[in-house]
Amino acid sequence: EIVLTQSPASLALSPGERATLSCRASQSVSTYLAWYRQKPGQAPRLLIYGASNRASGIPARFSGSGSGTDFTLTINSLEPEDFAVYYCQHNTNWPSFGQGTKVEIK
Amino acid sequence: QVQLQESGPGQVKPSETLSLTCTVSGGPIDSYYWSWVRQPPGGGLEWIGYAYHSGSAKYNPSLKSRVNISVDRSKKQFSLSLNSVTAADTAVYYCATDARTGTTDGFDVWGQGTLVTVSS
Repeated sequence: EIVLTQSPASLALSPGERATLSCRASQSVSTYLAWYRQKPGQAPRLLIYGASNRASGIPARFSGSGSGTDFTLTINSLEPEDFAVYYCQHNTNWPSFGQGTKVEIK
Repeated sequence: QVQLQESGPGQVKPSETLSLTCTVSGGPIDSYYWSWVRQPPGGGLEWIGYAYHSGSAKYNPSLKSRVNISVDRSKKQFSLSLNSVTAADTAVYYCATDARTGTTDGFDVWGQGTLVTVSS
């Protein structure tokens, strides 16, 4: 079983700042890595797939990078709607999610 | 575009079977893998399993002994059955699919979610 570990567990930033979120896999997942944003009371929304491809309608301030076991989601210039929980997900053997990173307002 | 809507009881008794249905609209049911994902209150996301229109299915090993997911092509629905439930199965249950690629590389379509509470 491949385990995804996200860090940090929470992050306190101000609007306009940059957020850098990490996701580490216990074994290589190549670039089969997706990122989601989940606002309270809502379903997750796909942001990034294939480690670095923005999903349809996702603003350019979101970018993903990495391959193998280490991945990063960067959010440039945080907007109010970006204060939420972020999950990474791989699709090796079966889909599995990281435990999440909460981005809070400082 | 594909849209999903969950339906089913909001409360199930311990040891009984949880049954939910997801209705597909705006697209074909024959082209995608249809997944269920759950999220306990205040917790993270857990993939439960998926079914394909052909009848094939794959489940999370941690739930495999209690889960069945099936597709009804005529009704354009897919269903989740989880037996022998306990309080640990209390969660918001989402149906989801990857309508971009027809795989499970990234779920771009989600239902709104439905809370199921296991309680007597």
